[in-house]
Amino acid sequence: GGIITQTPKFLIGQEGQKLTLKCQQNFNHDTMYWYRQDSGKGLRLIYYSITENDLQKGDLSEGYDASREKKSSFSLTVTSAQKNEMAVFLCASSDRAEQYFGPGTRLTVL
Amino acid sequence: AQSVTQPDARVTVSEGASLQLRCKYSYSATPYLFWYVQYPRQGLQLLLKYYSGDPVVQGVNSFEAEFSKSNSSFHLQKASVHWSDSAVYFCALRDYNQGKLIFGQGTKLSIKP
Repeated sequence: GGIITQTPKFLIGQEGQKLTLKCQQNFNHDTMYWYRQDSGKGLRLIYYSITENDLQKGDLSEGYDASREKKSSFSLTVTSAQKNEMAVFLCASSDRAEQYFGPGTRLTVL
Repeated sequence: AQSVTQPDARVTVSEGASLQLRCKYSYSATPYLFWYVQYPRQGLQLLLKYYSGDPVVQGVNSFEAEFSKSNSSFHLQKASVHWSDSAVYFCALRDYNQGKLIFGQGTKLSIKP
């Protein structure tokens, strides 16, 4: 088995701040994903990466940057945090079939 | 357009009762379908999946789901729920080309003692 680790677990930021979320996986999966989860709206794809140094935009990429410098890690940057924003960001990795999820990073913007 | 709809945002059932959580999908071909469960402050865990073949698929913790092409549905069922089944359940469809998952809005399941 493997595990996906997300850091930090909780992130509190100020309006306009640049914030970075990190994800590590030891499944040796090629593909990794970042999703945003808002209450009552399910999960929406922000970015995904099919291999090291590859980046693909999802449905919600505006306002975010991503980085995949190593196969095992995938970072997401909120380029300018929005006031009163609250969401959970979930990282996932996949083999050819299934996606495996990390525990999430909870973002609160004051 | 591809989409997944879970029409019930919240479902409450009594412990020991049977359960059905509904999921409808829109996809141009036969989809890969999944049910995930999310316990409080945790990530998503896979309950079961459907790729092809027998339309009734078995999952963990005695959950099962039935795929219906004619109804474009993939409803989740359990014969007898336990208080520990309280969680949010997500139905998802896999986009064949991109591999990404398209999620429904989720159904929050509460169990009455």
